[in-house]
Amino acid sequence: EAQVTQNPRYLITVTGKKLTVTCSQNMNHEYMSWYRQDPGLGLRQIYYSMNVEATDKGDVPEGYKVSRKEKRNFPLILESPSPNQTSLYFCASSPDRPSYNEQFFGPGTRLTVL
Amino acid sequence: KNEVEQSPQNLTAQEGEFITINCSYSVGISALHWLQQHPGGGIVSLFMLSSGKKKHGRLIATINIQEKHSSLHITASHPRDSAVYICAVIKPETSGSRLTFGEGTQLTVNP
Repeated sequence: EAQVTQNPRYLITVTGKKLTVTCSQNMNHEYMSWYRQDPGLGLRQIYYSMNVEATDKGDVPEGYKVSRKEKRNFPLILESPSPNQTSLYFCASSPDRPSYNEQFFGPGTRLTVL
Repeated sequence: KNEVEQSPQNLTAQEGEFITINCSYSVGISALHWLQQHPGGGIVSLFMLSSGKKKHGRLIATINIQEKHSSLHITASHPRDSAVYICAVIKPETSGSRLTFGEGTQLTVNP
């Protein structure tokens, strides 16, 4: 089944404890992206990747890192999480950039930072 | 002011009604997406538009580039259409790579 998977789906952690949210797609998509969703602010783009070893900042990259060592995986790394990173996170992928293609979204990861 | 504005913010309809959700944007765009977020939180892409009109089942999306406006129409609405509908635009200066989202329209369809 063609899908985007994220793990974990739910995570409660404490300030400063490094964490990684994994994202994987099995559709051989070139483009992958991370978004966060907050009440009153909607969805905002964190980072995106056009291809392996090609990543770039979105609108809210501060406090996050990403890597794209393999085409299928695009992990989101929070080196020192803070409470303002409590949010619902979505990974998405598409065959090419979103000006050409619809995006496929993962199920979301709900992160709480205490 | 947000670059992407949706209206209405909340919409309640009776089953069978024709529904329109609007998206206005203040910047030049290369494409526009309509997304549906289910009550459980999952997001599904409905349409990607750069001009004209697209139809899929009971859903129709239109865009008027000159007026910087897009509409999502739902014909013969059903309670299962209850969801948040989100508009997102891609600005050409981002090389088609970055999305800017509206805040969403919460639709409730009552039986």
